[in-house]
Amino acid sequence: KQEVTQIPAALSVPEGENLVLNCSFTDSAIYNLQWFRQDPGKGLTSLLLIQSSQREQTSGRLNASLDKSSGRSTLYIAASQPGDSATYLCAVINTGGFKTIFGAGTRLFVKA
Amino acid sequence: DVKVTQSSRYLVKRTGEKVFLECVQDMDHENMFWYRQDPGLGLRLIYFSYDVKMKEKGDIPEGYSVSREKKERFSLILESASTNQTSMYLCASRITARGNFRIKNNEQFFGPGTRLTVL
Repeated sequence: KQEVTQIPAALSVPEGENLVLNCSFTDSAIYNLQWFRQDPGKGLTSLLLIQSSQREQTSGRLNASLDKSSGRSTLYIAASQPGDSATYLCAVINTGGFKTIFGAGTRLFVKA
Repeated sequence: DVKVTQSSRYLVKRTGEKVFLECVQDMDHENMFWYRQDPGLGLRLIYFSYDVKMKEKGDIPEGYSVSREKKERFSLILESASTNQTSMYLCASRITARGNFRIKNNEQFFGPGTRLTVL
C-alpha cells in the first residue's frame, strides 16, 4: 500500500533563505507526483506536476525534483518570502491506479 | 485557467438536516472528486466520479451520497447531517485517467473548499 510521508511537519525560516521540503513514497511505481500549496482555510493550489519519466520541474522560484528509484521528491524554494507561508502537500498517483495519495503536508512559516 | 468552484465557503446546518454541497468545473474534466480534510487526518476521499452518471465510493463514503448528472457538476449530499461531519470539504477535478499518456499529464485542480459546521 502506497504511503506518502513529508518531513518535517513544520518549518520556520527567516525571509530570504533557500529551503527544501521533502516528500517520500514507499512504492516507486507511480504515474506522477504533484506538489500543492494550501493557505489556512482555503483549497489546494497546484504548484508543480512531475511525470514519472521526468526528473524535475520548475516554476519561478520553485523547483521540484523526482527520484523514483529512491522514492523521493523535493520542493526547493529559492529566496523565501513571508507570502510563501503556507502548508505544502505532495501527492502521487500509482501506476495502474486512479486515486491520489496525499502526504500530511509541511507547514512553512517564513519570518519577515 | 482551470476553475473549480464550490457553492458555499461557509455553511452551518443542524443535526438531521439534508445538506447539498455543489461543485462546478469549467475545464471539461471527466474525473471529479470529493474529499474532506480534518486536522491530524489529512485529506480523505469520500466519493469520486469517472464521468457523467458514474460514481464510485472512496475511502469514507458512509453518510454521504453523490450525484453527477452533468459533466461539469458534482454534488455531495449529506442525507442526515451529524456533528461528526463537521469538516472542510474539498472538491477536485482532472482530465480522464484513461490511457498512460493522459494520466501522466493529468494535473488535479481543487476548489476553494466549504467549511461545514453541523450543530
